[in-house]
Amino acid sequence: AQSVTQLGSHVSVSEGALVLLRCNYSSSVPPYLFWYVQYPNQGLQLLLKYTSAATLVKGINGFEAEFKKSETSFHLTKPSAHMSDAAEYFCAVSDPDRDDKIIFGKGTRLHILP
Amino acid sequence: ETGVTQTPRHLVMGMTNKKSLKCEQHLGHNAMYWYKQSAKKPLELMFVYSLEERVENNSVPSRFSPECPNSSHLFLHLHTLQPEDSALYLCASSQQRGPGRDYGYTFGSGTRLTVV
Repeated sequence: AQSVTQLGSHVSVSEGALVLLRCNYSSSVPPYLFWYVQYPNQGLQLLLKYTSAATLVKGINGFEAEFKKSETSFHLTKPSAHMSDAAEYFCAVSDPDRDDKIIFGKGTRLHILP
Repeated sequence: ETGVTQTPRHLVMGMTNKKSLKCEQHLGHNAMYWYKQSAKKPLELMFVYSLEERVENNSVPSRFSPECPNSSHLFLHLHTLQPEDSALYLCASSQQRGPGRDYGYTFGSGTRLTVV
């Protein structure tokens, strides 16, 4: 079965600093990977998705993620953090053994320090 | 607005009450999902409906009863809940079942349920 592991349940960065949220996946086949964001009192919103077209994926709000097969990673980055980026971020993978159902990681809460 | 609307946004209910959560999507999607999001736990998939047919029930207690009268509406009927059922209940939809490869899920804003 596919799974994702997010390193760090909480990450704090200063406003203007680089954001790096880590995600490693476990997959027996080429994976389809996603990052979702959840703002307070909201549902999850798709940030970006990797579907094998390109290893560097650009998403909304200036975020991007790079698929690295050799490292089984799909880390999320943003060059310069903004206060509005404070939210919880979920890495996810589709599981072809379960009708491509999306399996979510435990989430990483991003705190932005002024 | 995401195109998936959940009502109510907040619900407080006693353990002997009966209530229902509603989800409506205006995206023309064919699959709908209920998720439970508790503090310090991963998102838990509860039910999956595809073309109004329940295709997955992930060992959810019978005090949770889903209903999908058509492809645009999904309900979660609640009765005799326990305090540990307090959580954020999220509804999602996708263009079709097995959406991971090309689509992804569209989520509603959730219903914050508190059982007292």
